[in-house]
Amino acid sequence: DAKTTQPTSMDCAEGRAANLPCNHSTISGNEYVYWYRQIHSQGPQYIIHGLKNNETNEMASLIITEDRKSSTLILPHATLRDTAVYYCIVRGYSTLTFGKGTMLLVSP
Amino acid sequence: GAVVSQHPSRVICKSGTSVKIECRSLDFQATTMFWYRQFPKQSLMLMATSNEGSKATYEQGVEKDKFLINHASLTLSTLTVTSAHPEDSSFYICSAGAVAETYEQYFGPGTRLTVT
Repeated sequence: DAKTTQPTSMDCAEGRAANLPCNHSTISGNEYVYWYRQIHSQGPQYIIHGLKNNETNEMASLIITEDRKSSTLILPHATLRDTAVYYCIVRGYSTLTFGKGTMLLVSP
Repeated sequence: GAVVSQHPSRVICKSGTSVKIECRSLDFQATTMFWYRQFPKQSLMLMATSNEGSKATYEQGVEKDKFLINHASLTLSTLTVTSAHPEDSSFYICSAGAVAETYEQYFGPGTRLTVT
């Protein structure tokens, strides 16, 4: 699976949009971009995934660039409960491999 | 979404004893289950992949005789840490892949193991 690069940490004010970037320049045509998050001492939680098109669900939006070499996860109105480590994972038909992720801290 | 449970959520055991952790898919059948380990301030590391009715596939560096995995049914997998040592203290997380949704993985809440 392609490797991903994410910032180590980010801060966001409560109520504002949180935009989490991810680079995956070696992604291949059949690989999806997945986002999970892990709140402290809990199991990972699925957020969203996409292949080429932008995706939106009740939790977040996923914007994938046209060349698919990078993507952005958007939490439109961050809350304190969104404080977590966010993992961007590129996978095809294999298991999920977790990198170090981005620690998002949402502050009042 | 699909629900995966783990039991126990926390366990403390003495060095040299064995501990069994259960992972159950509550509302779907899981052909494949995965076991991860997470040390403090680190990411999840895949330990092994198990398919129902067959032997587990272990990742490099994971001792199969120490971490026994049984996936006897489509809803239950167990991880037994044998002869536990303090360095086995970690957060163990399972995930399950649904029969009809090959590429989706649903994670359990994790089990905190402390070996004294």
